Amino acid sequence: NAGVTQTPKFQVLKTGQSMTLQCAQDMNHNSMYWYRQDPGMGLRLIYYSASEGTTDKGEVPNGYNVSRLNKREFSLRLESAAPSQTSVYFCASSWTGGFNQPQHFGDGTRLSIL
Amino acid sequence: DQQVKQNSPSLSVQEGRISILNCDYTNSMFDYFLWYKKYPAEGPTFLISISSIKDKNEDGRFTVFLNKSAKHLSLHIVPSQPGDSAVYFCAALSSGSEKLVFGKGTKLTVNP
Repeated sequence: NAGVTQTPKFQVLKTGQSMTLQCAQDMNHNSMYWYRQDPGMGLRLIYYSASEGTTDKGEVPNGYNVSRLNKREFSLRLESAAPSQTSVYFCASSWTGGFNQPQHFGDGTRLSIL
Repeated sequence: DQQVKQNSPSLSVQEGRISILNCDYTNSMFDYFLWYKKYPAEGPTFLISISSIKDKNEDGRFTVFLNKSAKHLSLHIVPSQPGDSAVYFCAALSSGSEKLVFGKGTKLTVNP
């Protein structure tokens, strides 16, 4: 029962470097999400994808791009990393993105940008 | 401005007693509410939810109460167990929206 798998689990980048965070789910879910969690904060939605081929901005999309590669995979890209993007990133998925459809989360990617 | 507020950063209770975690919201369009539990170094896991057409939902030791007029919900855990020690997040959703809005979380410690 893999559920939602995120890679890598940890990463250290230098300012200006680029990186792609990977996420895959094996639950045949339609909707997928990327969140970030900063110390003392709740999770904030970066981007989401309601279905294969569609993506939409969340609360904090600036500095990020996403790709819904297929139904299983949803990647998050930092084109030019900045120290303000140091955070724990969580990917999630749900059957549909709405009522009575809880999201299932991966264990996160801890990203530090120096 | 925060739309979902958990004003208590932490809560400590004795094993066997009741834990009450509170959550307030400001957006009257929210009509579905969820509680997630998070252990260190893990992702949040869904615990229990309630829709705005109800005022109570129960699942084993966990009960969520919703007071729409006060824009307030609470999670009751009875009896509390040491394994319940975790951070609890309240989250809210508007029907037709994909955007789940989270509170900052409350760290619950259950002492043996």
